[in-house]
Amino acid sequence: QLQLVQSGAEVRKPGASVKVSCKTSGYTFTGYYIHWVRQAPGQGLEWMGWVNPYSGGAHYAQNFQGRVTMTSDASITTAYMELSRLSSSDSAVYYCARTLSAWGLNAFDIWGQGTMLTVSS
Amino acid sequence: QSALTQPASVSGSPGQSITISCTGTSSDIGNFNLVSWYQQHPGKAPRLMIYEVTKRPSGVSNRFSASKSGNTASLTISGLQAEDEADYYCCSYAGSNTLVFGGGTKLTVL
Repeated sequence: QLQLVQSGAEVRKPGASVKVSCKTSGYTFTGYYIHWVRQAPGQGLEWMGWVNPYSGGAHYAQNFQGRVTMTSDASITTAYMELSRLSSSDSAVYYCARTLSAWGLNAFDIWGQGTMLTVSS
Repeated sequence: QSALTQPASVSGSPGQSITISCTGTSSDIGNFNLVSWYQQHPGKAPRLMIYEVTKRPSGVSNRFSASKSGNTASLTISGLQAEDEADYYCCSYAGSNTLVFGGGTKLTVL
């Protein structure tokens, strides 16, 4: 069935990097954008950017430019989000989400279960 | 890109109707019919409730409806039920391949 399954919780020290994976199944991977959204403890949702699995192209929110890289591997229908130069303010749950339609900037109909990242010295 | 503005909290009694507003600008909500709404229960991933301003995905109760006027979108929940108690987020396309979320609204069913 349609699902996005994310990698497990991560703990990193400040200044390090983290790479979160999002394994998809049940649909044509290259037909829909994957977006990344994060949620700090007790806070709201924050959009981070998207990757287009068909072209490999990506676009990032201004707040993350220069620090985030979103990629995909169609051979294993998996998307990735790598965030570098981590600080404590990056501690959050990170979600991947699929767009509702082939046009990649519509709503998100399928979400991963979330990956908790803790950044602490 | 600034977050869309939502009330921090709303409340209502079972059976009543409530409306959550989401205010943006002429660069996002006011310029595109691409507003979506999400419901999030504690510890869970968000769930799509409304897309393209007014459309409901299959499986979403028709007690949920939405609209837009100018730079403000609204989500209305009628016949409130205990299970509707959750956080609600609006989201809009903001041009230039970007999206923006609202700050979220906590709905309490009294």
